Amino acid sequence: RKEVEQDPGPFNVPEGATVAFNCTYSNSASQSFFWYRQDCRKEPKLLMSVYSSGNEDGRFTAQLNRASQYISLLIRDSKLSDSATYLCVVNILGGGGNKLTFGTGTQLKVEL
Amino acid sequence: EAGVAQSPRYKIIEKRQSVAFWCNPISGHATLYWYQQILGQGPKLLIQFQNNGVVDDSQLPKDRFSAERLKGVDSTLKIQPAKLEDSAVYLCASSTSDRGQHGYTFGSGTRLTVV
Repeated sequence: RKEVEQDPGPFNVPEGATVAFNCTYSNSASQSFFWYRQDCRKEPKLLMSVYSSGNEDGRFTAQLNRASQYISLLIRDSKLSDSATYLCVVNILGGGGNKLTFGTGTQLKVEL
Repeated sequence: EAGVAQSPRYKIIEKRQSVAFWCNPISGHATLYWYQQILGQGPKLLIQFQNNGVVDDSQLPKDRFSAERLKGVDSTLKIQPAKLEDSAVYLCASSTSDRGQHGYTFGSGTRLTVV
């Protein structure tokens, strides 16, 4: 089983739609959680951290369910510029210290 | 604040040749990471440094890959000899500590094509 699993998509949605991405992780010792955004042929960039209480940043809402080992990202009123790959990322404490483990990413295409 | 610098941006080599990548992390960042991202996959950690010491190199193919961070600042990643399956983007990232609680900042990467 992969440490971090995501549906690769692509998710094709019309502009203005609401879209949700899900992610599951296998290591219950995971300590912190993030969503990264990666544009085509660019490096990943931090979109937002994910907290147990849930957190919101403008049109983006992230939620964490530690009991189910499940993370989600909700994008409301999607824009053409939201088209990208969204990477679910888990910080796992291992013998060598903390390290970020990435999912394969979910591709989003927002269309007119 | 200057970001993570990497060079070269692109490299094309033949299989069995050698190649080296360079990374300069954000000033003051003690922890440096090298990730490999194959097309269609998420980044995979190759090696993690804390200052000039290796913290985790469990996924580094040590028969052909090597990395160093001699003075605890810049780092180089080398592949010798390269294989076709090494074609990927090599991403360097840095953070203020190894706790990773605030995520990492990535450089723009080196895109390697092995032919």
